[in-house]
Amino acid sequence: QKEVEQNSGPLSVPEGAIASLNCTYSDRGSQSFFWYRQYSGKSPELIMFIYSNGDKEDGRFTAQLNKASQYVSLLIRDSQPSDSATYLCAVDTGFQKLVFGTGTRLLVSP
Amino acid sequence: DVKVTQSSRYLVKRTGEKVFLECVQDMDHENMFWYRQDPGLGLRLIYFSYDVKMKEKGDIPEGYSVSREKKERFSLILESASTNQTSMYLCASSSTPAADTQYFGPGTRLTVL
Repeated sequence: QKEVEQNSGPLSVPEGAIASLNCTYSDRGSQSFFWYRQYSGKSPELIMFIYSNGDKEDGRFTAQLNKASQYVSLLIRDSQPSDSATYLCAVDTGFQKLVFGTGTRLLVSP
Repeated sequence: DVKVTQSSRYLVKRTGEKVFLECVQDMDHENMFWYRQDPGLGLRLIYFSYDVKMKEKGDIPEGYSVSREKKERFSLILESASTNQTSMYLCASSSTPAADTQYFGPGTRLTVL
């Protein structure tokens, strides 16, 4: 069973701080990794994807991938209350078959 | 702008009924997916399709079937609904080979009584 593990949280950070969300995966052959944001009652929306080891930055978001450690993370700089949501890590196990983690709930307090 | 629509936001059915959930995408995507989302279990793939009339089982296909007669439409069928199929059902689509993202529809909250 291919698994993706996330801490369910909630992760609480003050406004303006850096939020760090983590994810580990079991399938060493996985090539593509995704972070989705899901607001309560809404469907997931993609915020970042990463294929190669290292960091990928997009605005306030940075995705980090370490394939040797089978570890993906998402950093959110200058966190805002509007970032409060559940963040889902997803791993493409082949042919776009995504395996999702159960998500980490982030709370950003003003 | 990609748009994935689902036929209903909320649906209430009785045990044993045959249930159809419809999904339509307007971006000419080859790939379409059906997931269910449950608290503590996350999103789980039920079925997916890479082309018209093609279907592949996901991780939890039992109790479900699908139909894809047209490229833009992917239907999920619960042959005989049961209470353990009460869930949020999410449809997604993506293009090939650019698998950068799967775009999700708004979801259908199905309650089986």
